[in-house]
Formats: sequence, structure tokens, C-alpha cells
Amino acid sequence: EAGVTQFPSHSVIEKGQTVTLRCDPISGHDNLYWYRRVMGKEIKFLLHFVKESKQDESGMPNNRFLAERTGGTYSTLKVQPAELEDSGVYFCASGRTGFYNEQFFGPGTRLTVL
Amino acid sequence: AQSVTQLDSQVPVFEEAPVELRCNYSSSVSVYLFWYVQYPNQGLQLLLKYLSGSTLVESINGFEAEFNKSQTSFHLRKPSVHISDTAEYFCAVRENTGFQKLVFGTGTRLLVSP
Repeated sequence: EAGVTQFPSHSVIEKGQTVTLRCDPISGHDNLYWYRRVMGKEIKFLLHFVKESKQDESGMPNNRFLAERTGGTYSTLKVQPAELEDSGVYFCASGRTGFYNEQFFGPGTRLTVL
Repeated sequence: AQSVTQLDSQVPVFEEAPVELRCNYSSSVSVYLFWYVQYPNQGLQLLLKYLSGSTLVESINGFEAEFNKSQTSFHLRKPSVHISDTAEYFCAVRENTGFQKLVFGTGTRLLVSP
């Protein structure tokens, strides 16, 4: 079975521009998560979808970040406008629903804001 | 809320030597505990987990971790490391009910040299 995929693998943009990150979860996984790692710091939770609904968005830093999961399949994370502090690696993970649903991570998107 | 502390940002070790990567956590509720590994240029992979039962858990590649509730620790150990174990290791926790977000430590980079 194919793993979690993320696109692009790298993105370099200038401050004030808009960037959209995409995550394709493992087929059949209802749960989709976004995390971010700013350089040298811990990986931080951003939000959690169950199908197309936002279950927990407590980690979203501010309203410049917009996450969507139309149709309950792939998800996008848009940053508009991007700021310097948004630089980091954005990870997506997916998992099944159940007693313990392991989260399977994608390779991440490295975002650099200049 | 939960927090995870990994005091060692980098651990250099010679091949075939033993290693311990330390992880302490704080939580007001019961948690599940995890170790994830990130090899160079790859995504996060689950190495091992503690959900319940035996406090000693093992991975398929020789790592083990022991859940110590009184010391709120979940240290990762391997009696003899290989060059291929060079990677970054992340300790994480999540509530065992309710919200599924993982809370990560800052990571420990294990550097194995010949």
C-alpha cells in the first residue's frame, strides 16, 4: 500500500507570498493530521481532520493558515501571506479510526520563507 | 496538557557501543508513549510504542524502551548500535482518550561512528 505523500518536497517563497502544501493520506484512512517543525525545535501539532471535518485545530498558529480536506481525501494547507517565522518542515500523517490509530507520517514539505 | 523533554540534542557513540536516549514527560492524564525515528531524507517512522501492559517494549531492530510511571520516563536503549542507526529520534506522548494529537520532544540526533 502506498504511504502518505506530500507535495512539494521543498518550497522557497518570499515573505508575503502564498503557498499551498498538499497531503495525500493512505487510502482508507479517515484521520489526517498536520504537524510542523520549526528549525531546531519540537514537532508541533497543527490540526486533525476526521474525514472532511476538523476535529481539533488547537495548534493552528493564526488565521494566515487555512487547512481544507474537501471530500475527505487529500488535504491542503495554505499559508497566506507567508511570514519568515513560517519556515520549517510541515509533516502530514494519516491513520485509521479505532482503539489506537497509529499515525503514519509523510516525508514532509520543507518551506523556506525569505 | 502534556510536554516531553529530551535533554540530549545530540549523542555521539561508536559502533557496537550501548546507547541510551532519554525522554521524560509531563501529563495530568494517562498517556500513550512513542519513539519515532527519522533517517536522513526520510519521514518519521514509528519505532516502538507503549499503550498498556508490559512496561518494557521492543522494536524489531533491537531497540527497547521502558515505561517508568513514577519517574515519568520512557528512555530508549540499544545494547549495541550500528552505523545504520544514525538518525534523529523523537519521543512523543498522546492522551489515551479524547484528543489524538501527538506531543513531541525536540529530538535527539544519534551519531554512530566506526
